[in-house]
Amino acid sequence: DAMVIQNPRYQVTQFGKPVTLSCSQTLNHNVMYWYQQKSSQAPKLLFHYYDKDFNNEADTPDNFQSRRPNTSFCFLDIRSPGLGDAAMYLCATSEERQETQYFGPGTRLLVL
Amino acid sequence: AQKITQTQPGMFVQEKEAVTLDCTYDTSDPSYGLFWYKQPSSGEMIFLIYQGSYDQQNATEGRYSLNFQKARKSANLVISASQLGDSAMYFCAMRNQGGKLIFGQGTELSVKP
Repeated sequence: DAMVIQNPRYQVTQFGKPVTLSCSQTLNHNVMYWYQQKSSQAPKLLFHYYDKDFNNEADTPDNFQSRRPNTSFCFLDIRSPGLGDAAMYLCATSEERQETQYFGPGTRLLVL
Repeated sequence: AQKITQTQPGMFVQEKEAVTLDCTYDTSDPSYGLFWYKQPSSGEMIFLIYQGSYDQQNATEGRYSLNFQKARKSANLVISASQLGDSAMYFCAMRNQGGKLIFGQGTELSVKP
C-alpha cells in the first residue's frame, strides 16, 4: 500500500544534542510537510517542500531545518533541541498544494 | 483572519448511536476546502472526509458525513452508528487558497459501550 512512513516512532535526545527525524513516502507526491504538535494542541506547520522548493513558515525557529534529497525522503533537523521542542512531529504529503494531505504516524520526541 | 472553531472540547456518545461534531470557519477566500481528520491516541492523523467550497452536495464516506452549511460557515461531522474504535481526537481543518491547512483545536470523542 502507498503510504507515508516516519522513523523512528519514538526518539529520545538530550538537551542541545542535534537530532534528525525521517519521513519517506511511496505516494510520489510533490509536496511534503512537517508539523509540530504539542500535547492537547492542534498541529502547527513548520515548513513544506514543493518538489525541491523549500517554504518556511514565518514563525518557525531557526533551530529547525529541513532537507529533501529526493522525491521520496524528507528530513527534519533540530540543531539544538530545547525542552520546549518535546512534541509529536508529523510528516504529511499531498500531490499538489491544493490536494488532500496524508499524514504519517508521527515521531514522538522527548528531550531530556 | 482565517480561523477554524471547534467549540466542543469533549463529547460522549453511546455505542451504535449517531454523534455530531461541530465546526465553524471564517475566511474571505472564495475557494477553500474543509477536512476532518481523526487522531487516535497513537498519534497518526487519519483523513476522514473532504468538502470543497463549491460542492453542491454534502460529502459522505461510509459512516461519516459532512453537514456543510455555507451561509452559516459551518462544516459539522456526523458519525453514524458509533463504534468503540471511533474514540479519538477529531480535528476540523480548512485549506486556504495558498494550500495551507488551518486546524481547529479538536474535539475529543469518547464512545461508551
